[in-house]
Amino acid sequence: RKEVEQDPGPFNVPEGATVAFNCTYSNSASQSFFWYRQDCRKEPKLLMSVYSSGNEDGRFTAQLNRASQYISLLIRDSKLSDSATYLCVVNAYSGTYKYIFGTGTRLKVLA
Amino acid sequence: NAGVTQTPKFQVLKTGQSMTLQCAQDMNHEYMSWYRQDPGMGLRLIHYSVGAGITDQGEVPNGYNVSRSTTEDFPLRLLSAAPSQTSVYFCASTRLAGTGELFFGEGSRLTVL
Repeated sequence: RKEVEQDPGPFNVPEGATVAFNCTYSNSASQSFFWYRQDCRKEPKLLMSVYSSGNEDGRFTAQLNRASQYISLLIRDSKLSDSATYLCVVNAYSGTYKYIFGTGTRLKVLA
Repeated sequence: NAGVTQTPKFQVLKTGQSMTLQCAQDMNHEYMSWYRQDPGMGLRLIHYSVGAGITDQGEVPNGYNVSRSTTEDFPLRLLSAAPSQTSVYFCASTRLAGTGELFFGEGSRLTVL
């Protein structure tokens, strides 16, 4: 079983729709959590960190559920420019820190 | 602002050849890492380093060597290239290994024939 799992999609949604992605992680010692965005043939870039209390950044909301070991990303009012792959990242400490990526969920927002 | 610089951006190798992918960062980050990205597999951690002189293995270390003689540089060596090492390689660094944002280079596309 992979340490970090995501539904690969693709999610095809119309402009203006709300879409949610989930990500599960297996290491209960995981300490920090992130969502990254990757455009086609580009490097990943940080979208947002995920805090225990949940956090929001404009149209994006991230939630963490430590008991069930999953994190989520909600995108409201989708824009064409949101089309990308969204990567869930988990940082676990086992002597040193390792950032482990999920396989990514591909989103395509349709006009 | 250079950030994380990877070279070369593209490389074609023959099976059995060796090469080094270079990674340099100018942000004084202690933590550096190498990932490979393959279709359907996401980014997989190859090796990482928490500071000069300290390296450790990630998820898929076989066939790769690293060293960290300076804070700035973290080269990835392919000892004897195999077609299975055809991939896109990303170098990433962060100041705070526990909570910090990873900054990525633009990637190096490697094809092994």
